[in-house]
Order: sequence, then structure tokens, then C-alpha cells
Amino acid sequence: NAGVMQNPRHLVRRRGQEARLRCSPMKGHSHVYWYRQLPEEGLKFMVYLQKENIIDESGMPKERFSAEFPKEGPSILRIQQVVRGDSAAYFCASSIAQGALHEQYFGPGTRLTVT
Amino acid sequence: KQEVTQIPAALSVPEGENLVLNCSFTDSAIYNLQWFRQDPGKGLTSLLLIQSSQREQTSGRLNASLDKSSGRSTLYIAASQPGDSATYLCAAYSGTYKYIFGTGTRLKVLA
Repeated sequence: NAGVMQNPRHLVRRRGQEARLRCSPMKGHSHVYWYRQLPEEGLKFMVYLQKENIIDESGMPKERFSAEFPKEGPSILRIQQVVRGDSAAYFCASSIAQGALHEQYFGPGTRLTVT
Repeated sequence: KQEVTQIPAALSVPEGENLVLNCSFTDSAIYNLQWFRQDPGKGLTSLLLIQSSQREQTSGRLNASLDKSSGRSTLYIAASQPGDSATYLCAAYSGTYKYIFGTGTRLKVLA
């Protein structure tokens, strides 16, 4: 059973471009979470999605950021008009269900560099 | 609002030493406390997960304890090795599907 997969692993964008980060959860997992890790900091929650639904996007900046988890295919975190401050590692996690007994499994992350 | 703090931020020890990493959290109403390892430029490796009903978990040379009443968890590494060099993150899970992470302890074990 493959773990959580993220691609690309590294992404370089110039200021003003769009970044698309993809996350394929573990097989059988229908809950996806995105976290952002700024340099020298811990991970911070951004958004929680179930298939076709955004459950909580309270940690996601209101402008330029969006996330989706369609019925088919991976979850996508989209950043429009990137700025240097968006440079960070973006981690995706998945779980089989939501709740204390259901551990989140983390992917390897996508490292975004904005030049 | 849950806040997680890790002390020290960085630690350098000679090989073979036993060491303790500390994690404190402000809200004791947690379900789980999890320790992760992160190598430079890499993802997270789960080390130990302690449920709120447990006081400790062990895996090989690692032992993690949890004291909810004092808002503390410790990760004990026995007989440290250079391969243990990494950043160690703790994360508190309060049942709101958000892991709240500390900023990590960067460990360097010198050969």
C-alpha cells in the first residue's frame, strides 16, 4: 500500500505565476489535510477536505489560495500570483476517517521556491 | 487556543549519550501526542503516538511519555547515534482534526 504521494517534490515559480501542488492520499483514505511549513518553523494547518467538500479552510489565506479534492483524482492546492513569502514546504496528510483514533499519514512534501 | 513549544530549539551531543527532548502544550484536553522525525529537505516520519489514556510508548531506543495534567511530553533517546541527527517535531491532536505542531528540536549527534 503506497503512502501519501505528493508531486512535484520541488517547484520553482517566478513571482506572479501560479503554483499547483498535488496530493494523492493513501488508498482508502477520503480525508485530506494540507499543512505549510515556513523555514525554521513547525507545520501549520491550512485546510481540511473530504471528497468534493471543504470542511475547514480556516488556516488558508483568503486570497490567492484555494484547494479542492474532486471525486476522482488527487487533491490540489492552488496558489495564484505567488509571492516570495509563499516559499515553503507544503505537506499533505490523509486519514481513513476523521477523529482521534484515525492517525494522519503525511506525504513527503512539495518544496515551493518563489524567485 | 492550543500552543505547542519545544525546548531546546537545537541540541548537539556526543555519540552514545542519552538525551531528552521536551514538548509542552497549553491545552491539556488532547487526544493524542505524536512525535515525528524530519530529515533536512524531507518529509515527516512518525516515531511514536501516545493516546491520551496512555502515559508512554516505546519503540527501540525511543521512549515517549505524556503527562496531560502538566502539559508535557518528553522523548527519550537512548545511546544516541549520528544517524539520529534530524529535527524532532511533536504535535498535539485535540480532536479538531488539526495537528498543532511545535517548532522542533534540531538534534546533532557527533561521531
